[in-house]
Amino acid sequence: DAGVIQSTRHEVTEMGQEVTLRCKPISGHDYLFWYRQTMMRGLELLIYFNNNVPIDDSGMPEDRFSAKMPNASFSTLKIQPSEPRDSAVYFCASSRDRVTEAFFGQGTRLTVV
Amino acid sequence: AQSVAQPEDQVNVAEGNPLTVKCTYSVSGNPYLFWYVQYPNRGLQFLLKYITGDNLVKGSYGFEAEFNKSQTSFHLKKPSALVSDSALYFCAVRADNYGQNFVFGPGTRLSVLP
Repeated sequence: DAGVIQSTRHEVTEMGQEVTLRCKPISGHDYLFWYRQTMMRGLELLIYFNNNVPIDDSGMPEDRFSAKMPNASFSTLKIQPSEPRDSAVYFCASSRDRVTEAFFGQGTRLTVV
Repeated sequence: AQSVAQPEDQVNVAEGNPLTVKCTYSVSGNPYLFWYVQYPNRGLQFLLKYITGDNLVKGSYGFEAEFNKSQTSFHLKKPSALVSDSALYFCAVRADNYGQNFVFGPGTRLSVLP
């Protein structure tokens, strides 16, 4: 298996622009997580899905953030409009069920200038 | 709500000495506990987990961890540290209640000195 795929390693965008991060989970995994990592806040859980349904989005910082999972093999995290304080590394992870370990993608480093 | 504490930001140990990275947790329901390691500019790599059974679990690269229910702890250990073990280590917890999250601690930076 190829693992969790976040095809974009680095994303640079201008303040005010829309940015979409993409993730392909491991096939057969029922749970998908989006995390944000910064020096100040560490690793924050933004949202997670179970069988493509958002279960808990309480970690989404503002209405500018939204996430979707239209099918079992694809998820997006969108920021609109983006701001410099959104600069961080965004990780996607998936797990087979609700008690097993999650496998992480390589992350997308977002820089908003 | 779940939470994880890693009381030490930084742990320094000499190569060849035993290492311990501490973790305590708070969760409603049965806990499922995990350790991950992160090397610079990389994603998190799974090391080991406790689901049920023996309180001492063994994982990758010679690491092990001990689950202590009364102290709500899950400390990571290794009998003999290597310089290559230097990295950022995260403890995480899930619970068996539907709707609970997969929450990580703040991380502990381990430096193994030659």
